[in-house]
Amino acid sequence: QQPVQSPQAVILREGEDAVINCSSSKALYSVHWYRQKHGEAPIFLMILLKGGEQKGHDKISASFNEKKQQSSLYLTASQLSYSGTYFCGTERNNAGNMLTFGGGTRLMVKP
Amino acid sequence: NAGVTQTPKFRILKIGQSMTLQCTQDMNHNYMYWYRQDPGMGLKLIYYSVGAGITDKGEVPNGYNVSRSTTEDFPLRLELAAPSQTSVYFCASSYSIGLYEQYFGPGTRLTVT
Repeated sequence: QQPVQSPQAVILREGEDAVINCSSSKALYSVHWYRQKHGEAPIFLMILLKGGEQKGHDKISASFNEKKQQSSLYLTASQLSYSGTYFCGTERNNAGNMLTFGGGTRLMVKP
Repeated sequence: NAGVTQTPKFRILKIGQSMTLQCTQDMNHNYMYWYRQDPGMGLKLIYYSVGAGITDKGEVPNGYNVSRSTTEDFPLRLELAAPSQTSVYFCASSYSIGLYEQYFGPGTRLTVT
């Protein structure tokens, strides 16, 4: 079952913060986050395992709430380069190879 | 390392024609995947492989076939192309399951008319 991402789209000014959510109705083992620029392939951002861990690098971080089966991606002090579509991919209970991707959140950062 | 390469970049097919989308990776990854992405939508898994000689269906396998005779190559075959198969096709690979990132190829944009 496809995870639900919210919001579907967001417009920011440079320097503003944003939160993107990814929710599943099924128990999850891991959540992957990818960013895709228009006309390009998705690029990996980070993986979170169940256990409520939080990860991050630079000004992008994420958390995984196992009880709620929800992951959130936090973009702090956004830069123009953050523009693109963000996808979460969820893996259910160590199902192995199959990631199910959400519909994406389109982020536009303006000067 | 070239990573994951896909050919062709673009293709236009007539309804009923067949074609093979090529995918090659040079990272010695055991796991390979084929996704399709319709305009403005997320990625849907078509087929995946856990190693040479082993393939399995994903969410949307109908109308497609795959084979995996070597670790490097994972071609996707479209038989009897239909307009509903108009999409961008991405091949990806990963070192192992779950905890490892997937590396994506540049994609093949296919139009069926």
